[in-house]
Amino acid sequence: DTGVSQNPRHKITKRGQNVTFRCDPISEHNRLYWYRQTLGQGPEFLTYFQNEAQLEKSRLLSDRFSAERPKGSFSTLEIQRTEQGDSAMYLCASSPRGTSGGSYNEQFFGPGTRLTVL
Amino acid sequence: QKEVEQNSGPLSVPEGAIASLNCTYSDRVSQSFFWYRQYSGKSPELIMSIYSNGDKEDGRFTAQLNKASQYVSLLIRDSQPSDSATYLCAVTRGTGGFKTIFGAGTRLFVKA
Repeated sequence: DTGVSQNPRHKITKRGQNVTFRCDPISEHNRLYWYRQTLGQGPEFLTYFQNEAQLEKSRLLSDRFSAERPKGSFSTLEIQRTEQGDSAMYLCASSPRGTSGGSYNEQFFGPGTRLTVL
Repeated sequence: QKEVEQNSGPLSVPEGAIASLNCTYSDRVSQSFFWYRQYSGKSPELIMSIYSNGDKEDGRFTAQLNKASQYVSLLIRDSQPSDSATYLCAVTRGTGGFKTIFGAGTRLFVKA
């Protein structure tokens, strides 16, 4: 297993365009997370999936953002009508099924997709 | 009040010294606590996890958790220049969901 992969690694787009990012988690990891990170800040939670179910979505996320995880495998994050404020690193992480109590949630990150909105 | 707070630093220590990194969190029902290391331009890398009160040691790293004080720390013994990075504290609620909140990170510089 080669870890979490993300594509593309870099994306430059013009304001108003739609973009889609893909994340392939570590195989058999049932949880998948999306984060956004800007310079000098920690990763900001966007959403997470357990298998194919999207269980929580940040209130900070506008309706322009949507994520899917069909069949509980890879995931996509789409940003519609991009704005300059969307420029950031978008990180994906996956986590294996926890032990009893579900309190174990070690996450392994992909390399990220850097988005630049002109 | 931020959900997870860290001193942004930079924290500067000489090579061979102990680096102490601290983190406080606001959600009392949090169950899982993590330290990630992030080098400039790279993604976060998990270095320690801790789930119960007390200390947990792994090589040169020791994580300490005090749920009553809502405080978690990371000690790095025999600090090396290669330890220079940003250290991120992360907290997961556990019960009722697995949303994970990260602190803004502490920048550590280890001087040779």
